[in-house]
Amino acid sequence: DTAVSQTPKYLVTQMGNDKSIKCEQNLGHDTMYWYKQDSKKFLKIMFSYNNKELIINETVPNRFSPKSPDKAHLNLHINSLELGDSAVYFCASSSLAGTEAFFGQGTRLTVV
Amino acid sequence: RKEVEQDPGPFNVPEGATVAFNCTYSNSASQSFFWYRQDCRKEPKLLMSVYSSGNEDGRFTAQLNRASQYISLLIRDSKLSDSATYLCVVTSPPTGTASKLTFGTGTRLQVTL
Repeated sequence: DTAVSQTPKYLVTQMGNDKSIKCEQNLGHDTMYWYKQDSKKFLKIMFSYNNKELIINETVPNRFSPKSPDKAHLNLHINSLELGDSAVYFCASSSLAGTEAFFGQGTRLTVV
Repeated sequence: RKEVEQDPGPFNVPEGATVAFNCTYSNSASQSFFWYRQDCRKEPKLLMSVYSSGNEDGRFTAQLNRASQYISLLIRDSKLSDSATYLCVVTSPPTGTASKLTFGTGTRLQVTL
């Protein structure tokens, strides 16, 4: 069983479109994250949720809206996609904030 | 100054060599430290946690120097399969609901025959 799973794995879309990425973890963790890895491979946190509550929002444009329907799910919706949004988006979870995190396989988003 | 800094490499070493990576962090209050490994086009995976007294896991040894705010990873007897990017990770701020894992940019290791 995959511990942290995110879908889709690949997403190619046109500028201006709206898209969503879904993430689910079956580890019973309280904390979930979204990270963005850009073309230079730098992995940067975007959001952190603890028990469905938004804890960290790292100055991400408000076109990005995370939603956590329950503590096992954290989805990411992106409005009005821009070329600069092209990156790999990783979902992760940990039992407590700041402890060892387990990552999903990533969603490679390409905006054309 | 970046929160977590690493030499990006690449480090090209022959099989069997010993290689060491260093990493520095800026927040002296950081409490938890990790090394992650990321293979090309894959997700980061935990390699090992780093403890104050230093710790070893097979061919891998991690050290923490709080006074100088640096972390090291030593790989002995390198294997071809060790080729990957090694990410230094620091928890900031200290553990609490607002804690997050802050990643360095990674050090690329290429082990050759």
